[in-house]
Amino acid sequence: TQLLEQSPQFLSIQEGENLTVYCNSSSVFSSLQWYRQEPGEGPVLLVTVVTGGEVKKLKRLTFQFGDARKDSSLHITAAQPGDTGLYLCAGASNFGNEKLTFGTGTRLTIIP
Amino acid sequence: EPEVTQTPSHQVTQMGQEVILRCVPISNHLYFYWYRQILGQKVEFLVSFYNNEISEKSEIFDDQFSVERPDGSNFTLKIRSTKLEDSAMYFCASRDDTYEQYFGPGTRLTVT
Repeated sequence: TQLLEQSPQFLSIQEGENLTVYCNSSSVFSSLQWYRQEPGEGPVLLVTVVTGGEVKKLKRLTFQFGDARKDSSLHITAAQPGDTGLYLCAGASNFGNEKLTFGTGTRLTIIP
Repeated sequence: EPEVTQTPSHQVTQMGQEVILRCVPISNHLYFYWYRQILGQKVEFLVSFYNNEISEKSEIFDDQFSVERPDGSNFTLKIRSTKLEDSAMYFCASRDDTYEQYFGPGTRLTVT
């Protein structure tokens, strides 16, 4: 059974600060996706990383895939209240089928 | 922008009744998935579907569950005899031949 652990589970910081959340596993994934989920809604795709060591930037968000394709991080620069939400990582496995194994989530709160 | 749609948004049913959850994937996508999320828990994979057949299913997806693509646009999940523990958010997702899975808004199933 593949597991993805996210840390921290909860994070509350002041507006303007920087933060990093982590997604770790002992399993290798063919790709890793980060989603954001609002209460009562479906996960919204933020980014997909595929290559070990890959770094992708989406405005103030920087995503990195570990060299061994087992872990990932999400770094937010100058956090804003609009960044508040639940961030989920999901690893794709079974190369070809690409079913997703979801992490436990990090609930982020940005305090104005 | 193309999106995955799901109906109904909320379904209430009595234990033992059959329910059909409906999804319209993004039109040029080839791979289809169902996931569920019990309140307060992780998103869990149920089943993947490609080329008109199931490509993989989880332990959760027992004989009470079935999927169908009855026409060129709809993708359905049927639960034959619902149990209390089937109460959850059910998400449909689809992708083309890239890694990126796009999720629908979900159907909240409540079994009483």
